[in-house]
Amino acid sequence: DIVMTQFPDSLAVSLGERATINCKSSQSVLYNSNNKNYLAWYQQKPGQPPKLLIYWASTRESGVPDRFSGSGSATDFTLTISSLQAEDVAVYYCQQYYGIPPWTFGQGTKVEIK
Amino acid sequence: QVQVQESGPGLVKPSETLSLTCVVSGDSISSVNNWWGWVRQAPGKGLEWIGEFYHNGIINYNPSLKSRVTISEDRSKNQFSLKLSSVTAADTAIYYCARGVAGARYFDYWGQGTLVTVSS
Repeated sequence: DIVMTQFPDSLAVSLGERATINCKSSQSVLYNSNNKNYLAWYQQKPGQPPKLLIYWASTRESGVPDRFSGSGSATDFTLTISSLQAEDVAVYYCQQYYGIPPWTFGQGTKVEIK
Repeated sequence: QVQVQESGPGLVKPSETLSLTCVVSGDSISSVNNWWGWVRQAPGKGLEWIGEFYHNGIINYNPSLKSRVTISEDRSKNQFSLKLSSVTAADTAIYYCARGVAGARYFDYWGQGTLVTVSS
């Protein structure tokens, strides 16, 4: 199985400041034939299901604010919130969907307001 | 608008079988564009993929649960089901059904989730 490791486990950021979450996979999730990274990011607020933010490592889902961006390739990925808003307080998860199942998630990163 | 909604007992006794159903609206589980599956989340923990199916009959399970899991579909009702046998307290979790994108397998629509507690 591909193991996804996120860091930090939690971070506190001031309103309007940048938040950066990292995700590392135990093997590359870059498919060379189409040059796509099989990685997604989700946001989960308390009492709610996960919400898809980013897929293919950097493609924003429809309706997701452009302050959310994804980057990285192969084994190292980053989710950036360029200017943290109060409504962004949540736990964020990365997920790989490369190759064959099982699809696996990172352990989550909790984002709070400083 | 696609909606998926889980239903089933909130309490299951140890060693018994957990059974949940997911009703889909706004899309067809027979669509070639999507997979349909289950993800769970133990209280205060992260997300664990359980399994999925595709319209052509392909079913995949998480190897960690494979011996105990069955996913089935009912096309006439546009719904699918999860059965998890021989449950223990470790199976206590919120169970989500979700739509996975074909050719990818990220999940773009999720149900609200249903909490299943395993306790005598």
